[in-house]
Amino acid sequence: SQQGEEDPQALSIQEGENATMNCSYKTSINNLQWYRQNSGRGLVHLILIRSNEREKHSGRLRVTLDTSKKSSSLLITASRAADTASYFCATDVGGSEKLVFGKGTKLTVNP
Amino acid sequence: DAGVIQSPRHEVTEMGQEVTLRCKPISGHNSLFWYRQTMMRGLELLIYFNNNVPIDDSGMPEDRFSAKMPNASFSTLKIQPSEPRDSAVYFCASSMTSGLGAQYFGPGTRLLVL
Repeated sequence: SQQGEEDPQALSIQEGENATMNCSYKTSINNLQWYRQNSGRGLVHLILIRSNEREKHSGRLRVTLDTSKKSSSLLITASRAADTASYFCATDVGGSEKLVFGKGTKLTVNP
Repeated sequence: DAGVIQSPRHEVTEMGQEVTLRCKPISGHNSLFWYRQTMMRGLELLIYFNNNVPIDDSGMPEDRFSAKMPNASFSTLKIQPSEPRDSAVYFCASSMTSGLGAQYFGPGTRLLVL
């Protein structure tokens, strides 16, 4: 079964608005990662947050991690049409290099 | 760097034929991953290598699938014989073990088995 589950499955917003996506997972992790996938392309690594971190920023991205609730959120501020993509969370398995991906949130940013 | 390179980008074949997908990881990366992505099952890890050695092949669906990594700059994923249910996008990704797990994906091979 999937380790990470994103919510919502799909999100449609207007340019300039903020987009928030959530991820829940089931077992203990060492780190959680977020990836973006544009239609027809490979996944692109966005940000990694370690289990001992609570929040991390990268440009317009903000990621939070709550290990007690086994959940993470990805916030994209001041969204742009170019942010339209699917966003996936991924968690490690037993501290190995192996990652398990959720099914993703499909974000549409309307100009 | 050119990034992870995969070939072919598209493959259409008939059921029963052998299919070979190829991957060149980023130079200096010592881990390589093969994934399959479908609408129904999402992104699934098939197998991964570290320093050219297969570490975990528990995701390989059945004996029709095999993967090799003869050297640090090349890997293949072979399906023999192929079946329509193998139709999917196959991604190769690479990473540095010391890179805290960030993986770099290739553009994928879109496989259609008729």
